[in-house]
Formats: sequence, C-alpha cells, structure tokens
Amino acid sequence: AQSVTQLDSHVSVSEGTPVLLRCNYSSSYSPSLFWYVQHPNKGLQLLLKYTSAATLVKGINGFEAEFKKSETSFHLTKPSAHMSDAAEYFCVVSDWGTGKSTFGDGTTLTVKP
Amino acid sequence: DGGITQSPKYLFRKEGQNVTLSCEQNLNHDAMYWYRQDPGQGLRLIYYSQIVNDFQKGDIAEGYSVSREKKESFPLTVTSAQKNPTAFYLCASSSTGTSYEQYFGPGTRLTVT
Repeated sequence: AQSVTQLDSHVSVSEGTPVLLRCNYSSSYSPSLFWYVQHPNKGLQLLLKYTSAATLVKGINGFEAEFKKSETSFHLTKPSAHMSDAAEYFCVVSDWGTGKSTFGDGTTLTVKP
Repeated sequence: DGGITQSPKYLFRKEGQNVTLSCEQNLNHDAMYWYRQDPGQGLRLIYYSQIVNDFQKGDIAEGYSVSREKKESFPLTVTSAQKNPTAFYLCASSSTGTSYEQYFGPGTRLTVT
C-alpha cells in the first residue's frame, strides 16, 4: 500500500521569500513522485516529477524538489515566491506496477504582497 | 493541440437522475482516470482504465459507472445511487509502463439538487 502525507494544509509567505511545501510518502517499491499545482476551478498542472533519476528535480516556474529516500520525503521548494504562485499544491505517489496514484490532501499556498 | 477535454464545465441535475460526464483525450494515452474533488480535500480515485475494454474500481467507486470502448474516451456516469454527487470531477490520462505522469482535463463541476 502507498500513502502520501502533506504536512501543512496551509502555508503563507510574503512575496519574494522562500517557499517550502512538505511531503512524506510511503511506498512498498521505488516510487514515482510528483508535484501538481491547481488554480481555483481548474485542472491540475504538473510541476515536476521524480522517477529514480537525479534526486534533485527541477520543475517549471522555478520550483524544485529533492527526493530523500532515507527520510521518505519529497519536499517542494522555490527560492522566491511570486503572487502568481498562490494556489493549491498536491504531492502524488504512483505505483509502477498498477499505475494507481495516491494524492495528498493538498497544501494551500498564500502569497502576501 | 493535444490534450484532454471534459464537457460540460458546469452541470446541474435533479436528485434521482443519472448523469454522464464526458472525457476525451487525443494524447494517445493508454490509461485514463476519474477523480472526485471535494472542497478542501485532495483527489479521490473513482475508476481507472489501463487499456480499452478494461477498467478497475478506485477508492470510491460506489454509485459510479464507466466504460472504455475507445482509447480516446472514458465517460463517467454518476448514478442515482451516489449519495453525495455534488463535487468537482477531474479526468486524467497517462502513458503506461513509464512514470504514469498524468495529464488533467479542466474538470466538470456537478451540482445535484
């Protein structure tokens, strides 16, 4: 069985300051891990993915995530927040065998001017 | 342009009526998925299909049905047996045998009164 825990339901930062969204996962096998972003009433857009290559993954819009197997974590970071980053962020783990994905409950990112 | 389309964007139905949500993709993906999203919650998997004419129940399949007669199409029927059908429904697709990175449609907001 696999699971995902997003450790913060809400994160608030000021524009121009760093962003950290935390995600821990549980998986029986080497997982594929993803971060998606969702703006209000929209579908989800892929930010970045980890698929057993480099442990530091770069995504779109300046986001990065580091896969740490020993800590079973896949935290999302960005050096400097922008107002347009305000959205809901989801961490996802996928099972290679079944293709079934498990989503975290999401983290709402608020960016203050 | 390649992508996933869902129609309609908003759907209103009376309680006791079945309703079918459309999902079409032209990405040549084998796998397709249906998720339900409730306010403040993550995505919950309803059904998924990894190949034409085959599909599996997800975590919350009760009160829903699907078909996969064509690779491009994966319609979802919300039946009158679904106790709380009002929600935001998201369709996704992915290739199989790789990372299962999912591409999402824009969603359908269903309101049942």
